[in-house]
Amino acid sequence: SQQGEEDPQALSIQEGENATMNCSYKTSINNLQWYRQNSGRGLVHLILIRSNEREKHSGRLRVTLDTSKKSSSLLITASRAADTASYFCATDARDYKLSFGAGTTVTVRA
Amino acid sequence: ETGVTQTPRHLVMGMTNKKSLKCEQHLGHNAMYWYKQSAKKPLELMFVYNFKEQTENNSVPSRFSPECPNSSHLFLHLHTLQPEDSALYLCASSHGTSAVRNTGELFFGEGSRLTVL
Repeated sequence: SQQGEEDPQALSIQEGENATMNCSYKTSINNLQWYRQNSGRGLVHLILIRSNEREKHSGRLRVTLDTSKKSSSLLITASRAADTASYFCATDARDYKLSFGAGTTVTVRA
Repeated sequence: ETGVTQTPRHLVMGMTNKKSLKCEQHLGHNAMYWYKQSAKKPLELMFVYNFKEQTENNSVPSRFSPECPNSSHLFLHLHTLQPEDSALYLCASSHGTSAVRNTGELFFGEGSRLTVL
């Protein structure tokens, strides 16, 4: 069953702006991950944040995790056209099986 | 290049056809997965293999039949499919199913786009 749910479903921003998307989940997790998928391609792992971490950075990506609210956010700073993709959060609440949301589609306009 | 290769990339088949999707990973991983991705829906986990043993069958209809001859190869045999089975089928691998909890990362192939007529 679906565990993570991304919000908004779609986001359109100007190049250079920041993009923020959120993920909410229902049950306790061990870690939460974010993936990117370019149109018609496979998913690529971006970043993992463990349940005892509150914030993590990787290049232009910043991920936060609030376990009390069961939510996470992904911030992409200074967006580029190449950031146009769908972004998914995934949680591992049940054993080893990752549960993905439906994704946020981000369009970066030149 | 993720180290996970899926073939074919595109497949069109009739409802009475029999076809197979193939996945190969060159990462030395022990766990392999099949996911189904339909438009605007969350990824659906179909099957999981860990050290060649099937550890998950997520209530998938029998018209989908997985095969894992070794830790590097995974197949999805398709038979008598329905139009609603049209989707992107993604293969993924990881170090091992327990490793997903500890290290987290799944490595995905580019997917096989299946159209059932």
